[in-house]
Amino acid sequence: DADVTQTPRNRITKTGKRIMLECSQTKGHDRMYWYRQDPGLGLQLIYYSFDVKDINKGEISDGYSVSRQAQAKFSLSLESAIPNQTALYFCATSPKGQAFGDTQYFGPGTRLTVL
Amino acid sequence: QKEVEQDPGPLSVPEGAIVSLNCTYSNSAFQYFMWYRQYSRKGPELLMYTYSSGNKEDGRFTAQVDKSSKYISLFIRDSQPSDSATYLCAMRPYSGGGADGLTFGKGTHLIIQP
Repeated sequence: DADVTQTPRNRITKTGKRIMLECSQTKGHDRMYWYRQDPGLGLQLIYYSFDVKDINKGEISDGYSVSRQAQAKFSLSLESAIPNQTALYFCATSPKGQAFGDTQYFGPGTRLTVL
Repeated sequence: QKEVEQDPGPLSVPEGAIVSLNCTYSNSAFQYFMWYRQYSRKGPELLMYTYSSGNKEDGRFTAQVDKSSKYISLFIRDSQPSDSATYLCAMRPYSGGGADGLTFGKGTHLIIQP
């Protein structure tokens, strides 16, 4: 079984709709991240969480919100989706104690299309 | 100018060749350097991790960092078709707290021809 799972794997939605992407992990890691990947732009950090009560904005948080429901669950929401949020979204985790950003473990990704 | 520059490729080489993948960066505060490999339709996975300048070898893979030139490389010896993937460099400053996260390159698409 995969250690970091993301649901859904693919989603097509319309402009203005609210959508939630979910991430679950069985690795027991405290730290979780959400990235988006666009062709030609690479990976960009949206939000990150050091633990359940510590959530921080990344470099491109506008238009997104997150919820850390438990140590193992970190959800990303698009309150009102727009076409330029069409991208591949990755969740990642890393263990506490390592310097920030070391050895991140990525999920399989969610391909989101906003029409 | 982007903080991390990486040629997107594609880079196509015959099986058995030595592959050289490179990134340049502009932020002199970067101290930790990583290479991630991403297969099609998969998430990135950590391949190599180095701190500061120097070389690190792991099997067929060698990571090299030249901080004076702000240049990092990943060498793959005896390349195999299974090495075909996108390779992303990533780097970050020394962790002093705060949002000093990873900065990724755009990735180089590598194709190893059988």
